[in-house]
Amino acid sequence: GAGVSQSPRYKVAKRGQDVALRCDPISGHVSLFWYQQALGQGPEFLTYFQNEAQLDKSGLPSDRFFAERPEGSVSTLKIQRTQQEDSAVYLCASSSGTNQETQYFGPGTRLLVL
Amino acid sequence: QKEVEQNSGPLSVPEGAIASLNCTYSDRVSQSFFWYRQYSGKSPELIMSIYSNGDKEDGRFTAQLNKASQYVSLLIRDSQPSDSATYLCAVITQGAQKLVFGQGTRLTINP
Repeated sequence: GAGVSQSPRYKVAKRGQDVALRCDPISGHVSLFWYQQALGQGPEFLTYFQNEAQLDKSGLPSDRFFAERPEGSVSTLKIQRTQQEDSAVYLCASSSGTNQETQYFGPGTRLLVL
Repeated sequence: QKEVEQNSGPLSVPEGAIASLNCTYSDRVSQSFFWYRQYSGKSPELIMSIYSNGDKEDGRFTAQLNKASQYVSLLIRDSQPSDSATYLCAVITQGAQKLVFGQGTRLTINP
C-alpha cells in the first residue's frame, strides 16, 4: 500500500518568502506528526494532529510556523517570512491510532533558504 | 542534559561482527522505545520497538530495555555493509504521542 508522501521533495526559497509543505499520510491513519531535522541531528518534534485537531504545537519554533489538517487527512505546514535558520528537512509521519503506535515517515521535504 | 542521548560515533565494525548501539534517556516515565535506521538522504525507517524490560529479537536485531537504568540498546548480529547507516533512538513519554529522538549514531560496517 501507499506510504506517507510529501511534496515538494525539494524547495529553495529566498529569505522572506512564504513556503507551504504538504503531507499525505497513510490512508486511515488518525495521527499525523511534523518533525524538523537539521543536518547531523535527530528529528525534532514540531506539531501533532489527531484527525483534524491540532493537539500539540509545542515544538513550533516561532509564530511564523503554522500547520493545519482541515479534513483530518492531508496536512500542510506553512512557514512565513522564511529565514536561513529554517533550512532543514521537514519530515511528516503518521500512525494508525492514538496510543503511541509506530510512526511511519514520509520521504521529507528538503528546504533551503538563501 | 538532553532527553535522549546517543554516542554520535562514527562506530566502525567489521563485517560479520556484532554492532552494539546504546541510548540513555532522562524521563523516568518514558513508556515506548524505538530504533529507527536512516540512510543518508533518506527518511527514518523503523527497525524495532520495545515497551517492556528485557530483550526483544527480530532476525539479526535485538533490542534491550532496562527501565531502572534508563537505558536501551540495539544489537545487530552478523553485521552487513548494508547495515551502514545512522541509527536513531526515540522515546515516547507517558501521556504523550511525540517521538523524542537522540542525535543518532553513525554506523559503518567494513567489508
